[in-house]
This record gives sequence, C-alpha cells and structure tokens, in this order.
Amino acid sequence: DAGVIQSPRHEVTEMGQEVTLRCKPISGHNSLFWYRQTMMRGLELLIYFNNNVPIDDSGMPEDRFSAKMPNASFSTLKIQPSEPRDSAVYFCASSLAGGGFNTEAFFGQGTRLTVV
Amino acid sequence: AQSVTQLDSQVPVFEEAPVELRCNYSSSVSVYLFWYVQYPNQGLQLLLKYLSGSTLVKGINGFEAEFNKSQTSFHLRKPSVHISDTAEYFCAVRRGSARQLTFGSGTQLTVLP
Repeated sequence: DAGVIQSPRHEVTEMGQEVTLRCKPISGHNSLFWYRQTMMRGLELLIYFNNNVPIDDSGMPEDRFSAKMPNASFSTLKIQPSEPRDSAVYFCASSLAGGGFNTEAFFGQGTRLTVV
Repeated sequence: AQSVTQLDSQVPVFEEAPVELRCNYSSSVSVYLFWYVQYPNQGLQLLLKYLSGSTLVKGINGFEAEFNKSQTSFHLRKPSVHISDTAEYFCAVRRGSARQLTFGSGTQLTVLP
C-alpha cells in the first residue's frame, strides 16, 4: 500500500482565499484523522471520522474550517476564508478499528500551508 | 481527560552515547502508548507501541521503551545513538476505547559527531 496520501504537499495562498487540503487514507482503514502542527501548539487533533461519519470535531478552530469524508477513500479539509494564523502543517492519518481491534495511526507526509 | 508531558524539549547527545527521552501521561482510564518519530519535512512514523503484555517494548532502529504504570511513564531509550537518529520524537496516548491520539509537545533529539 502507498500509505496515507495527502495533496498538495505545499500550498501558498493569499489571505481570504479558500484552501482545500486532500487526503486518501490507507485502503481498508475505517478511521481518519486531521491534525494540525504548529510551533506554538504542537500537534492538535482537528477532527476525526469513523466509517465516514464525523465523530469529534471539537478541535476545529472555528467556522472557517470544515471537513468532509464523502467516501471511505477520500477526505477534504477546507478553510474559507484563510488567515495568516492558519499557516501550519496539516496531517492526515488513518487507522483500522473495531471488534476490539485497533491499529496504530499511520500518517501522511503532511501539507505545509502558508497564508500570506 | 488525558494529557501527555514531554519534559525535555531539546536533547543534545554525542554519537554512540545512550539517550533517554522522557514521557509522562495522566489518564483516569487504561491507555495505549506510542512513540512516533518525525524527520525534517516528513510525516510521523511509528517507532513502537505499548498495548498490553510485557512492559518493555522494542521498536525500530534499536529503540525501546518501558511502560511504568505506577509512575505513569513511558520513557524512550536507545543504548547508542547515530547521527541519523536526529529528529523530533513524540509520545502519544490513546485511551482504551478511543480512536484518537493525544500527543506530547515533542522532544528534538540532536546527535552530535
């Protein structure tokens, strides 16, 4: 398997623009996570899905952030409008859980977002 | 609630010396524990994990960690480090029934020649 695939790897955008980050989890995994990494706050969980359903979005900063998982093989994280303080590395991760079984989370390479 | 504390933000060590990276956690329920490594401009890679059984777990690249329930610790160790071990190391906790991880703030390990 190619692992968790994120795109783009780098994104530079102007303040106020819409940004969409994409993630393809490992095939067969049923949990998907979006994390944000910054120097100030470290690694923060933004939202996670189980079987394509959002379970916990308490980490989403504000209404400008939204995430979707239309099917088991694709998820998006959208920021609209973007602000300079959104600049960070955004990671997607996936795992397999259920029936008492729960694998570790596998991470993508991340998307480095810069909002100018 | 659960939290993870990595007391050392930076650990410099000379090549071939031993190293210990400290991790303490707090949780009112049973937990699963993980160490991840992040090389520059890369994602997180699992080093090792404690799920149950033996409290001493061995991972990749010669690393090992010991789960100490009474001290709520999960320190990472390596007897002899290499230059290539220079990276940031994250301790993470997952509550037994949960899916998501809670991460510590990370420890930057720098191996000096």
